[in-house]
Amino acid sequence: EDQVTQSPEALRLQEGESSSLNCSYTVSGLRGLFWYRQDPGKGPEFLFTLYSAGEEKEKERLKATLTKKESFLHITAPKPEDSATYLCAVRQETSGSRLTFGEGTQLTVNP
Amino acid sequence: DARVTQTPRHKVTEMGQEVTMRCQPILGHNTVFWYRQTMMQGLELLAYFRNRAPLDDSGMPKDRFSAEMPDATLATLKIQPSEPRDSAVYFCASGLLVGPATGELFFGEGSRLTVL
Repeated sequence: EDQVTQSPEALRLQEGESSSLNCSYTVSGLRGLFWYRQDPGKGPEFLFTLYSAGEEKEKERLKATLTKKESFLHITAPKPEDSATYLCAVRQETSGSRLTFGEGTQLTVNP
Repeated sequence: DARVTQTPRHKVTEMGQEVTMRCQPILGHNTVFWYRQTMMQGLELLAYFRNRAPLDDSGMPKDRFSAEMPDATLATLKIQPSEPRDSAVYFCASGLLVGPATGELFFGEGSRLTVL
């Protein structure tokens, strides 16, 4: 069964303290790994798509990387406005357009 | 600014009542999804449509849930009869998905359902 596991469940950082979030996956035939950001009371907002091991994507203070078993979302010098829940999702080659989401990492950045 | 619009944003109802949630996807998007989010289960796919045709509703309890797209500007999710365990936030998302290498979904703000 396809699994997406995110760690840690929650992470508290001081402003400027860099860290990484992890997304481990076990799927056969990965057709994309997706990162979303979700603010309280809002729907998830797309951040990145990664398709193959070794691929990297960057956006402002965020950088996503992908290996054959996991993805990392690196946050460099975070600011309080980066506080949100970060969700990882995978698409498998035999599952059509279905995305399977992980439980998310709740990030809090204190000023 | 194009966005997915969901109504109602909040709904409180009593067990046994019918609930209908509506979604207006982004114009031009060919795929529409219904997801449910709870603290216990996270985001779960209920159903999705491609060009208004249902492609996968395996995540949906068929005895009480139904999803339709009567036209390209409207997707509906109906629960009849509703039960307390249906309490959750229901998200609609749309995307222009062409081939295997696309995946950006745009989510609405959700419909928070509470069944008493």
